[in-house]
Amino acid sequence: DIQMTQSPSSLSASVGDRVTITCRASQSISTYLNWYQQKPGKAPKVLIYAASSLQSGVPSRFSGSGSGTDFTLTISSLQPEDFATYYCQQSYSNIRTFGQGTKLEIK
Amino acid sequence: EVHVVESGGGLVLPGGSLRLSCAASAFTFNSHWMSWVRQAPGKGLEWVANMNQDGTEKYYADSVKGRFTISRDRATNSLYLQMNSLRAEDTAVYFCARESWLREYQTVWYYFDSWGQGTLVTVSS
Repeated sequence: DIQMTQSPSSLSASVGDRVTITCRASQSISTYLNWYQQKPGKAPKVLIYAASSLQSGVPSRFSGSGSGTDFTLTISSLQPEDFATYYCQQSYSNIRTFGQGTKLEIK
Repeated sequence: EVHVVESGGGLVLPGGSLRLSCAASAFTFNSHWMSWVRQAPGKGLEWVANMNQDGTEKYYADSVKGRFTISRDRATNSLYLQMNSLRAEDTAVYFCARESWLREYQTVWYYFDSWGQGTLVTVSS
């Protein structure tokens, strides 16, 4: 199965900061990479699909890039509502897998 | 508005069985792959199983293969997860998720765009 590794596992940042989260796949997955945001007690919400496509309704401060094995999620200017846990997920294989998550906390 | 609602969770003894259901509405259920994803308390997301539109393809995480069975009823727009030989490590909130897609020429990208609220399964004696 394809393993997904995110870094960092946790991150402290301030409102207005630019933040980057990295996701690495154990093999090349082209651009079959999605990003989700999850807040406590809630279901995940898709932010980015196909590595760089912004889901409808998601603010433009979120962006994704990468292909092959290395991907990034960038939040250009953190807002208070962005403090949450972020997950990457590959859909290259029918055996879907998630990264372990990155918890974004307020500094 | 797209809606998926899970049910069937509860407390079960180790070695026991449970069947989860997911009721889908407000979209063409028979056009979508569907997945189960779980989250153990305080842990990350773990994909469990999925199946294609007509049920001819089913895939499972290694952690549940041989114990869990995914199925769907096209007539009632329902997705199911039969869970047998349950273990303590299966304790989690189980989410039902719709897989949507982006198609460009011959390439199709899948992603989870609609999720239920989850149903809690607790395996404990």
